[in-house]
Amino acid sequence: DTEVTQTPKHLVMGMTNKKSLKCEQHMGHRAMYWYKQKAKKPPELMFVYSYEKLSINESVPSRFSPECPNSSLLNLHLHALQPEDSALYLCASSHPLGGAGDEQYFGPGTRLTVT
Amino acid sequence: AQSVSQHNHHVILSEAASLELGCNYSYGGTVNLFWYVQYPGQHLQLLLKYFSGDPLVKGIKGFEAEFIKSKFSFNLRKPSVQWSDTAEYFCAVNAPEGNNDMRFGAGTRLTVKP
Repeated sequence: DTEVTQTPKHLVMGMTNKKSLKCEQHMGHRAMYWYKQKAKKPPELMFVYSYEKLSINESVPSRFSPECPNSSLLNLHLHALQPEDSALYLCASSHPLGGAGDEQYFGPGTRLTVT
Repeated sequence: AQSVSQHNHHVILSEAASLELGCNYSYGGTVNLFWYVQYPGQHLQLLLKYFSGDPLVKGIKGFEAEFIKSKFSFNLRKPSVQWSDTAEYFCAVNAPEGNNDMRFGAGTRLTVKP
């Protein structure tokens, strides 16, 4: 199984809502990532978890709150978002440490629209 | 930290034309290099990667890339493109000694005319 799954596929939320994005992988990867991708732009790294511990937070606003409850799951909790946060949110996973070409496997993304 | 630049924002080719997409990276140490493709409406997929050994790497769908260390480059090539190669192509780099920090180039949109 070389698949990263993400739910929901699409999400529309108001600026006062609280919602969560979910990501799951069963490849035994111990590093998981959240990226934000705007239209016609490259993915921008938001967070990295390695062995279920947050190892990188790319100065992301606190209205985005990641959580890694176990080695297969990664959540992104959303609260009080702004319209400019509308984007495709991508989850990825890989082996935890750099070395023999550790590519990241990407999920299909959640298309988020903030109204 | 490492960074990546892709020189071509939009490339338009006719079918059977040859393709070369440029990628240069900036980092002083050892790097892993990747090319990802994003077909319209689909998720990112790995085309090929380089981490050590033969600097000419072959990937899926007839793509190849050459790592030239002296030029900090990792250009993607395909001898004969097809309409189905229409997609966005991203070069990416991470550092093996680093902290899983993958950096993507701005991407090159390839349009292949039938």
